[in-house]
Amino acid sequence: KAGVTQTPRYLIKTRGQQVTLSCSPISGHRSVSWYQQTPGQGLQFLFEYFSETQRNKGNFPGRFSGRQFSNSRSEMNVSTLELGDSALYLCASSLTVTTYGYTFGSGTRLTVV
Amino acid sequence: QKEVEQNSGPLSVPEGAIASLNCTYSDRGSQSFFWYRQYSGKSPELIMSIYSNGDKEDGRFTAQLNKASQYVSLLIRDSQPSDSATYLCAVEGSGAGSYQLTFGKGTKLSVIP
Repeated sequence: KAGVTQTPRYLIKTRGQQVTLSCSPISGHRSVSWYQQTPGQGLQFLFEYFSETQRNKGNFPGRFSGRQFSNSRSEMNVSTLELGDSALYLCASSLTVTTYGYTFGSGTRLTVV
Repeated sequence: QKEVEQNSGPLSVPEGAIASLNCTYSDRGSQSFFWYRQYSGKSPELIMSIYSNGDKEDGRFTAQLNKASQYVSLLIRDSQPSDSATYLCAVEGSGAGSYQLTFGKGTKLSVIP
């Protein structure tokens, strides 16, 4: 059974650019969540999608957005990149909401220069 | 803002000893609690979930939950060097915090051979 797949694994972008990250959940999982992980702040919740609907959003600026497609694949977008956006972005999928816990993907390491 | 607090460590234990990891949370409505293990450079991996007060055992791992005290713990018996990792406590939110897990910043465990 394939796990959660995130692409790309690594990205280097310059300030002001935008970036799109992709996540394919485990087959049958309809809930996809995104987290930002930094050494100082740990794992911080970005947003959660279920059946193409965003059900919750964390305390991040509007530059961070996401969407989910009918096949449950999800993308997140960060516009007007800032140096502070450098982080590991993790996607997680679950069978039903959070009751059974997440399975995380390997993450996308974003570096903004 | 819902919070999950963990001692950052590092926690050092000799091989074969019991490692005890603790976590407190602020959301009284939370019903689902998880422990994740994260090796350096890897994504978090779910190792335990607990939903009811008391103990839950799985192999060398025991999770303990006390909702009245808003306290979750993880015991690792017969600790092995391969258990050296950062352990993250995660709590499912309630109300406005639903559909997300809030993570503590993690406790770094080092098992000394």
